[in-house]
Amino acid sequence: EAGVVQSPRYKIIEKKQPVAFWCNPISGHNTLYWYRQNLGQGPELLIRYENEEAVDDSQLPKDRFSAERLKGVDSTLKIQPAELGDSAVYLCASSHPGQVSYEQYFGPGTRLTVT
Amino acid sequence: GESVGLHLPTLSVQEGDNSIINCAYSNSASDYFIWYKQESGKGPQFIIDIRSNMDKRQGQRVTVLLNKTVKHLSLQIAATQPGDSAVYFCAENIGYSTLTFGKGTMLLVSP
Repeated sequence: EAGVVQSPRYKIIEKKQPVAFWCNPISGHNTLYWYRQNLGQGPELLIRYENEEAVDDSQLPKDRFSAERLKGVDSTLKIQPAELGDSAVYLCASSHPGQVSYEQYFGPGTRLTVT
Repeated sequence: GESVGLHLPTLSVQEGDNSIINCAYSNSASDYFIWYKQESGKGPQFIIDIRSNMDKRQGQRVTVLLNKTVKHLSLQIAATQPGDSAVYFCAENIGYSTLTFGKGTMLLVSP
């Protein structure tokens, strides 16, 4: 079974530039999550999707961050404009609502550096 | 021994020793807990989970203990191997599908 796929793996941009991250979840997983992980910290939830609906975006900084999951499969996370403090690893995870546990499967992440 | 680094608490052990990683959680209403392992350059990987109606659960070489009285969770790894070197996170479930992660502990295993 293929895991969660993310691209790009690394991105370096100058502040005020836009950036986008892409995620392809595990086939059949209806729930998709975007997390941000700062150095030395645990992941922090940005947004959670159930199919194409964003059911929890309370932690998403909506002035500069946006996300979409138009067909309920792939998802993109965008930052415009990026700030120095946005440097972090952006993780995508997916899970199946029918699972007994709340186990989430994580992708390798995109490491963003804003200069 | 255990020490607090600049960013992460670090536990250093010798290969073959048993390791114990501790976690204090914040919400007494949390009903589900997971331990994740994160290797450098990779996303977190599920290790073991436990529900709040249990106080112990065992997996292969790993045991999770839950003490709800003091809101404490621990992960025990038996016969620690160099491949166990990673950062370990505990996560608590508060509400459906919402996981809140702790800060993490770095485990360093020397051959």
